[in-house]
Amino acid sequence: DAGVIQSPRHEVTEMGQEVTLRCKPISGHNSLFWYRQTMMRGLELLIYFNNNVPIDDSGMPEDRFSAKMPNASFSTLKIQPSEPRDSAVYFCASSLAYAGNYGYTFGSGTRLTVV
Amino acid sequence: QQQVKQSPQSLIVQKGGISIINCAYENTAFDYFPWYQQFPGKGPALLIAIRPDVSEKKEGRFTISFNKSAKQFSLHIMDSQPGDSATYFCAASRTGDKIIFGKGTRLHILP
Repeated sequence: DAGVIQSPRHEVTEMGQEVTLRCKPISGHNSLFWYRQTMMRGLELLIYFNNNVPIDDSGMPEDRFSAKMPNASFSTLKIQPSEPRDSAVYFCASSLAYAGNYGYTFGSGTRLTVV
Repeated sequence: QQQVKQSPQSLIVQKGGISIINCAYENTAFDYFPWYQQFPGKGPALLIAIRPDVSEKKEGRFTISFNKSAKQFSLHIMDSQPGDSATYFCAASRTGDKIIFGKGTRLHILP
C-alpha cells in the first residue's frame, strides 16, 4: 500500500486566494482526519470523518475552512479566502476507526504558505 | 484546556545517552497512550503504545513507563543515536474516541 497520499506537497498562494488540499486515505480505512501543525500550536485536529460522514468539526478555525469526503478514497480541505495566518503544514491521517487504539497513519503533509 | 501536557519542548542529548520525555494527563478515562515519532518533512508515525494495566513496555531501545496514580507517563530512549533526532508526541485516548496529542518534544542527539 502506498500509504496516505496528500497533494500538493507544497503550496504558495496569495492572500485572498482559494486553496484546496487533497488526501487519499489508505484503502480499507474508514476514518479520516485533517490536522494542522504549527510551531506555536503543535498538532491541531481540524475535522474527522467516519465512513465519509463528518463526526467532529469543532477544530475548524472559522467559516473560511471547509472539508468534504465525497467517497471512501478521497477528501479535500478548502480554505477560502486564505490568510497569512493559515500558513502551516496540513496533515491528513486515516485509520480503521477513529478510536485512538487503532493507530493513525499520517500522510507526508502539505506545507501551505500564504503571502 | 490542554488534556495532555508534554515536557520538555526541546531536548539535546549526547550520543549514547538516555533521552527522557515526560507527559501528564488529566482525564482518568484515558485507556490508551501512544507515542508518535516525526522526522522533518514527514507525518507523525506510531512508535510505541501502552495501556494502563501495565507499568512498563519496552520495544528495543524505546521504553514507556506508566504511573497511573500520578497520571504520568514517559518515553525513555536508551543508547540514543543521531538517527533518533526527531519530534516526539505523546498522546492519549479513551476507548472509542479520538487521540489527543501533546505539543511535542524536539529531540536532537549530538554525534
